[in-house]
Amino acid sequence: QQQVKQSPQSLIVQKGGISIINCAYENTAFDYFPWYQQFPGKGPALLIAIRPDVSEKKEGRFTISFNKSAKQFSLHIMDSQPGDSATYFCAASRTYGGATNKLIFGTGTLLAVQP
Amino acid sequence: ETGVTQTPRHLVMGMTNKKSLKCEQHLGHNAMYWYKQSAKKPLELMFVYSLEERVENNSVPSRFSPECPNSSHLFLHLHTLQPEDSALYLCASSQGLAAGTDTQYFGPGTRLTVL
Repeated sequence: QQQVKQSPQSLIVQKGGISIINCAYENTAFDYFPWYQQFPGKGPALLIAIRPDVSEKKEGRFTISFNKSAKQFSLHIMDSQPGDSATYFCAASRTYGGATNKLIFGTGTLLAVQP
Repeated sequence: ETGVTQTPRHLVMGMTNKKSLKCEQHLGHNAMYWYKQSAKKPLELMFVYSLEERVENNSVPSRFSPECPNSSHLFLHLHTLQPEDSALYLCASSQGLAAGTDTQYFGPGTRLTVL
């Protein structure tokens, strides 16, 4: 059972455009939702994260929108640049109850930003 | 060396071989992780170690045997693997096991091919 569903699988955006990646989760016990960015030949790196007590978090050109009732969250990349071309993973975890920092990942979205 | 390093970066082995993957973290962290990354699949958590003690085994087949001799080093011993075990194996580390607080830092991975 896939607990975090991510779409689209791949995305092509023109330079300067907005990239949007969506994720949906099933387990209402999740209360921490990070996004990881992975460049070819590198491991994933934490990009931005949100907790369900806020509906939006912004860091520079990257914004997470969170809809608790719909159990959905999305990553928006404003003014997308060729250097943003990477694979993006959403994830979810539970932060209480003795959880061992276990992240449940989505399947990833390969973003290509064309110049 | 900084961050999390993994060796070798690429490995080709036969189904009857025995090999080991090595991970070293230079961050002073106390927790280490092994993940399996296959194409179009979510990252799969395999093992979690905290202060050299295994705290999570995510139903991984016994042909994968982890070893954590100290908090800076993590090994994954491989024997009698199957072709479906071909994947990118990622190591990660974090300061502790507090989900939502202790960010996981990933190494670049070992690309494993089982013939």
